[in-house]
Amino acid sequence: DGGITQSPKYLFRKEGQNVTLSCEQNLNHDAMYWYRQDPGQGLRLIYYSQIVNDFQKGDIAEGYSVSREKKESFPLTVTSAQKNPTAFYLCASSISGTFNYGYTFGSGTRLTVV
Amino acid sequence: SQELEQSPQSLIVQEGKNLTINCTSSKTLYGLYWYKQKYGEGLIFLMMLQKGGEEKSHEKITAKLDEKKQQSSLHITASQPSHAGTYLCGADIIGVEGTYKYIFGTGTRLKVLA
Repeated sequence: DGGITQSPKYLFRKEGQNVTLSCEQNLNHDAMYWYRQDPGQGLRLIYYSQIVNDFQKGDIAEGYSVSREKKESFPLTVTSAQKNPTAFYLCASSISGTFNYGYTFGSGTRLTVV
Repeated sequence: SQELEQSPQSLIVQEGKNLTINCTSSKTLYGLYWYKQKYGEGLIFLMMLQKGGEEKSHEKITAKLDEKKQQSSLHITASQPSHAGTYLCGADIIGVEGTYKYIFGTGTRLKVLA
């Protein structure tokens, strides 16, 4: 079955540490997205990519980095520069970045700073 | 301030009761999407509306986009415990840059009492 796989489901980060969240899709979707979800704030866009080897900053990109070396994969690194990284992170993909057919979401990664 | 307002923020209903969730914007909604999210999981796409006055149904859930395309409602008939979760609307709007922007509402948390 096609879908998006996020891993790990739970992740703990120490102060000053970089961590990478994985996102893989086998839907053959061109566009992929990373969102951060905090209580009462809805989803906020971190980064998005409409094509391999290209990505754009979203509304809250500071302290995060991404890569898109393969169509199927869009990993997100939360760097030590992100001062408040505790949140639920959602990866999504869509057929095209120019027309919205609705997004397919992964099951999320909950990141906690310890 | 939120560009996409959802109301109510939370809702508790008795099983078998009908309920309505609203999603409102001050801007034209070029596409309106409803998602459902179980706690700690990703979003599941429910349905998409694009034309003013459009109405779609899936099982006991009906969504409608008003003629002005600035408000959508999600109606659940004869609610069941399986309907419990958070419902989020997403929408394509024209951002300040003059390009399409995809945003999400803050969600409505639904609890159904058996």
